[in-house]
Amino acid sequence: GIQVEQSPPDLILQEGANSTLRCNFSDSVNNLQWFHQNPWGQLINLFYIPSGTKQNGRLSATTVATERYSLLYISSSQTTDSGVYFCAVKSRGSTLGRLYFGRGTQLTVWP
Amino acid sequence: SQTIHQWPATLVQPVGSPLSLECTVEGTSNPNLYWYRQAAGRGLQLLFYSVGIGQISSEVPQNLSASRPQDRQFILSSKKLLLSDSGFYLCAWLPGLTNYGYTFGSGTRLTVV
Repeated sequence: GIQVEQSPPDLILQEGANSTLRCNFSDSVNNLQWFHQNPWGQLINLFYIPSGTKQNGRLSATTVATERYSLLYISSSQTTDSGVYFCAVKSRGSTLGRLYFGRGTQLTVWP
Repeated sequence: SQTIHQWPATLVQPVGSPLSLECTVEGTSNPNLYWYRQAAGRGLQLLFYSVGIGQISSEVPQNLSASRPQDRQFILSSKKLLLSDSGFYLCAWLPGLTNYGYTFGSGTRLTVV
């Protein structure tokens, strides 16, 4: 199956700082999503972004499908941004819709 | 609107007891449905997926089974739980075979004691 690598694995920030999370994948994809897992475990869909750039408030994401990577930007981080951020992709060759997840980036934002 | 419900939220079960976790989707028809498990250490593992009523595919042979008795209902079961079945179980759905984003349920945290 498709390989998904996320970096960094852990990130510690002071409130107000900016950060960039990276996701590399090993094959062509037609679905890429960024999720935030909150302290209660729920996976919140941040972006559906198989290509291009999207922005939602302090968060933005860019996927360069031809180079097989995606970036998640968090600006002016807040303590509520803490949690694990997952990148997940669906291979272009898959008709059954299986999502492959990276191992996540654990973000801790201190006040 | 389209929503996904998953219950119970938490469960503590003794080894050897049965298990039934339920997931239902509202506001859509013929969704693809998935069960994932997240063990300690963050990784998410696909357990089962279903593209229609009665159609179940298993990704990893183990002590669990799944069923889809209705179009928008997906059930994860076990006849006898093992300690290794502990984890966080997440149900997800994808509308048909189109390329829209997945939506996950709120999860069930299962502890087998």
